[in-house]
Amino acid sequence: ETGVTQSPTHLIKTRGQQVTLRCSSQSGHNTVSWYQQALGQGPQFIFQYYREEENGRGNFPPRFSGLQFPNYSSELNVNALELDDSALYLCASKPTTSGGYSTDTQYFGPGTRLTVL
Amino acid sequence: AQTVTQSQPEMSVQEAETVTLSCTYDTSESNYYLFWYKQPPSRQMILVIRQEAYKQQNATENRFSVNFQKAAKSFSLKISDSQLGDTAMYFCAFMKLFGNEKLTFGTGTRLTIIP
Repeated sequence: ETGVTQSPTHLIKTRGQQVTLRCSSQSGHNTVSWYQQALGQGPQFIFQYYREEENGRGNFPPRFSGLQFPNYSSELNVNALELDDSALYLCASKPTTSGGYSTDTQYFGPGTRLTVL
Repeated sequence: AQTVTQSQPEMSVQEAETVTLSCTYDTSESNYYLFWYKQPPSRQMILVIRQEAYKQQNATENRFSVNFQKAAKSFSLKISDSQLGDTAMYFCAFMKLFGNEKLTFGTGTRLTIIP
């Protein structure tokens, strides 16, 4: 177990709708990243948050947005859903050492399978 | 930008045998980490092994070991005494040491252990 949970497990939406996916990390995991994994592909980096601020972004449009909360939970929001948004969405978190440095190993949640019809 | 290539989409091996999964990468960075992650049908991405680029010694974790060739930009995973529970997708991933700490993944290798 990685201590990272995600909800919901599965979700079905229609094109044009909006969706919010949730992730809950362990205490002390100040860095959270979101990845999109299309069927048969490796995960693609969407963005990363550190202490509630966006800390890097991959090649995803602005309709992909996120939030990180002080209680080590986070959200991925996707507006105006498109068929190609159908994928497994993974969150991954990293602890920060007592010296304030982020460790190198990311711990993944089980993912949310999003289907857009 | 970094790229990670896994040239073996699928592999299968008999239980208790040894199997090696290949990974090559391209980067201009000097300081980075390399990882092998396992993704079983349950979808949870599990870290198998990690390697710091500045370390010449190959990482080992029980039955899992890597062959890290920095000059050749090669990072293969060897699984010894393979077990049925090793059946999964295996992803090689790259992360540079400083700045945006995103993971760049390969396309994966589907490994099946045959009883």
